[in-house]
Amino acid sequence: KAGVTQTPRYLIKTRGQQVTLSCSPISGHRSVSWYQQTPGQGLQFLFEYFSETQRNKGNFPGRFSGRQFSNSRSEMNVSTLELGDSALYLCASSSNDGLYTDTQYFGPGTRLTVL
Amino acid sequence: KNQVEQSPQSLIILEGKNCTLQCNYTVSPFSNLRWYKQDTGRGPVSLTIMTFSENTKSNGRYTATLDADTKQSSLHITASQLSDSASYICVVGFQKLVFGTGTRLLVSP
Repeated sequence: KAGVTQTPRYLIKTRGQQVTLSCSPISGHRSVSWYQQTPGQGLQFLFEYFSETQRNKGNFPGRFSGRQFSNSRSEMNVSTLELGDSALYLCASSSNDGLYTDTQYFGPGTRLTVL
Repeated sequence: KNQVEQSPQSLIILEGKNCTLQCNYTVSPFSNLRWYKQDTGRGPVSLTIMTFSENTKSNGRYTATLDADTKQSSLHITASQLSDSASYICVVGFQKLVFGTGTRLLVSP
C-alpha cells in the first residue's frame, strides 16, 4: 500500500495570504488528523476528520480550517497567514473506527514558510 | 493543564549501548500512550501503543513500559544502532492527542 502523501512538500507565502495543504491517506483509512510542528512548541494537534466530519479539534484559531472529501482525502486551509504559522504541517491517517488505539501513519509533511 | 514532559531533552550514547527515555504525563482523560520515532525531516513513525491496562510492550529492540498509577512511561532501547539517532516523542490522550517535545537521541560510532 502506498503511504500517506502530502502536497506540496514546501511552500513559501507572505503574511496575509492564505494557503491550502493537501493530504491523501492510506487506502482504506477513514481518519485523517492534522498537526503543526514547530521547534518551540513541538507537535500540536489541529483537527481530525472521520468520514467527512470533523470529529475533534485542537486549540487553534479559526484561521485554521479543514475538510475531508468522500474519498478520505483531506485539505487544510490557513487564512491570513502570520509569521508564527511557519511550521511543518503533518497529516496522519488511521483506520480508527472509534477505538482511538489504532496506529497513525504520518506523511512527510509540508514545510510552510511565511515571510 | 494536560501536559507531557520528556527527559532528557537530548542524549548521546555509544553504538551498542542501551538507553532509557522517560515520559511523565498529566493528561486526562487517558486512553493510550504512544511512542513515536521521528527522523530529521520526516514524519513520525509509531513504535508502540499502550492502553491503561498494559504495562509493557515491545517492538524489536524497543520496549515501552507504562505505570498508569504514577503516570510515567519509559522507552528502553537495547543494543543501540546508528539508525536509532532520531527524536523520540511520547504522546498521550484519548480523542485529542497531547505530544511531548521529544528526546533527541544521537548514537555515536
